[in-house]
Amino acid sequence: NAGVTQTPKFRVLKTGQSMTLLCAQDMNHEYMYWYRQDPGMGLRLIHYSVGEGTTAKGEVPDGYNVSRLKKQNFLLGLESAAPSQTSVYFCASSLKHRLYEQYFGPGTRLTVT
Amino acid sequence: ILNVEQSPQSLHVQEGDSTNFTCSFPSSNFYALHWYRWETAKSPEALFVMTLNGDEKKKGRISATLNTKEGYSYLYIKGSQPEDSATYLCASPYNQGGKLIFGQGTELSVKP
Repeated sequence: NAGVTQTPKFRVLKTGQSMTLLCAQDMNHEYMYWYRQDPGMGLRLIHYSVGEGTTAKGEVPDGYNVSRLKKQNFLLGLESAAPSQTSVYFCASSLKHRLYEQYFGPGTRLTVT
Repeated sequence: ILNVEQSPQSLHVQEGDSTNFTCSFPSSNFYALHWYRWETAKSPEALFVMTLNGDEKKKGRISATLNTKEGYSYLYIKGSQPEDSATYLCASPYNQGGKLIFGQGTELSVKP
């Protein structure tokens, strides 16, 4: 099992550009999450999904959109990137009956100039 | 919104020292408390999940206790080793829906 994978690992964007981060998991987990990690802030939840075709907002959803068209994939989109979105983005997944045991991907480091 | 706090923010100890740090959370509407270990350049790794008041969990030299009535959890590391250097995160669900609210982490550095 690959676990949770994320692509790309690194990206530099200019303000106003768009991009999509891909998260994939092969553990048949129902729940998937996108977090951002900033210095001194811990991990903050952007959006999450409780199953295919469903998404919900987390703590800091503004400026991001997500889609879960397939159970194994969770996409995070930035339509018009801003410097404030410079961060490390982590995807995670968990089983429905073990919600709090989240498995994390390796992270995507995004810089917006 | 749930507020999860950790202290201290950073800790520097010598190899062999025992250490502990704290996670505080609101004691009302408690569901669970989760500890993660996060090494630099890697992804967070689950250590413990605790749900009952008085819970104690142990994994090698690392252990954790939980007091849901007063809203805190302690993480202990006995005989710290350089490989224990990492950021330790605690998290608690916002509700039963699975959203975790993370503390800001305690960064532990163990010098040989």
